[in-house]
Amino acid sequence: KAGVTQTPRYLIKTRGQQVTLSCSPISGHRSVSWYQQTPGQGLQFLFEYFSETQRNKGNFPGRFSGRQFSNSRSEMNVSTLELGDSALYLCASSLGPRGGNTIYFGEGSWLTVV
Amino acid sequence: DAKTTQPNSMESNEEEPVHLPCNHSTISGTDYIHWYRQLPSQGPEYVIHGLTSNVNNRMASLAIAEDRKSSTLILHRATLRDAAVYYCILGRLNTGFQKLVFGTGTRLLVSP
Repeated sequence: KAGVTQTPRYLIKTRGQQVTLSCSPISGHRSVSWYQQTPGQGLQFLFEYFSETQRNKGNFPGRFSGRQFSNSRSEMNVSTLELGDSALYLCASSLGPRGGNTIYFGEGSWLTVV
Repeated sequence: DAKTTQPNSMESNEEEPVHLPCNHSTISGTDYIHWYRQLPSQGPEYVIHGLTSNVNNRMASLAIAEDRKSSTLILHRATLRDAAVYYCILGRLNTGFQKLVFGTGTRLLVSP
């Protein structure tokens, strides 16, 4: 079956703009989480959604937000982009939030802020 | 957040077994131990995970210490395709929901 799909794969934005990234989880998966990966900070947890509700949040400013739709698809938004937001944004999905469920990652969306 | 400690890099020869160590001394009773690997410009790929008992799958084996403060990922016969950054991660439950806390990983180099 298809894996986690993220769009767009690559994008370039200007400081101050906002960006929306999309994620389609594996069919049947209801939990979606987002991570940011940068060379300096590594992989960091952004937030997790289940049943259209944010259940878990990492230490990121309010400029980072997300949502989940009834079909489990998810979007994340970053407003007022800063140069430091340049990163690989990864979406991951699992059957549910129960500890021990396998979490599968997509290929990521590369965001460059200039 | 609980962090894991891994060597920055390890080297292996092709077709030899590889043992990748991980320390997680602050692990809590409900934390699962996950291993992922990542190739350049790709998302992390699931390898294996476990809670208390040793685990085996087609990719690797996971050996978990009795006190759970450390674990070892075992690749039984390394191939060139196994060259990647390997992350040992604790799946931490927070208000009933799991999040992965990544460390810096081990870069595995495999020589022919």
